[in-house]
Amino acid sequence: GAVVSQHPSRVICKSGTSVKIECRSLDFQATTMFWYRQFPKQSLMLMATSNEGSKATYEQGVEKDKFLINHASLTLSTLTVTSAHPEDSSFYICSADTGIGTDTQYFGPGTRLTVL
Amino acid sequence: AQSVTQLDSQVPVFEEAPVELRCNYSSSVSVYLFWYVQYPNQGLQLLLKYLSGSTLVKGINGFEAEFNKSQTSFHLRKPSVHISDTAEYFCAVTVSGGYNKLIFGAGTRLAVHP
Repeated sequence: GAVVSQHPSRVICKSGTSVKIECRSLDFQATTMFWYRQFPKQSLMLMATSNEGSKATYEQGVEKDKFLINHASLTLSTLTVTSAHPEDSSFYICSADTGIGTDTQYFGPGTRLTVL
Repeated sequence: AQSVTQLDSQVPVFEEAPVELRCNYSSSVSVYLFWYVQYPNQGLQLLLKYLSGSTLVKGINGFEAEFNKSQTSFHLRKPSVHISDTAEYFCAVTVSGGYNKLIFGAGTRLAVHP
């Protein structure tokens, strides 16, 4: 089946630094990738939708200047948390859409971000 | 707009007992429905999905769900659970024929006890 990877799986950083998280579709081309945020014991909240070669579409309440998304190729999307603060600590999960039908969304294993 | 309600935040059950995890949705248009499972510190794995056709959908790991349009429900069931089924389960909905924007329920923690 389709595989999505994320790197790193865990990251700890100091407050004020920026962190980049990569999401890759390993064996398929992803026209669209999605970024989610998940707080402990809570559901996934969609942050943004990114299409290859165009600007990401952010959900209401998500700061686009803080969460920079780049979808430079059909297999790679990156999420950069700029000037991270402790409240940005969370589990970030990406998913990728093969573009075939509307049921083909595959999820990455997630990235645990801890900001000290 | 679509929304998903998972009625139980936690469901404790003994091993080999049957289980039902409840999911109701709200939408003014046709939707596709999904159940995902999340193991600790992992991403989501698709259990099953309803797009159209038969309202009884069978998925992986012995799970099945039934789409009930009149009750706007999509409950997940398994006749006999295993310890390994302990996980978080999410119901999700997306607009049929539209963009793949998934709306998730709050999740149900299934705890299987020996």
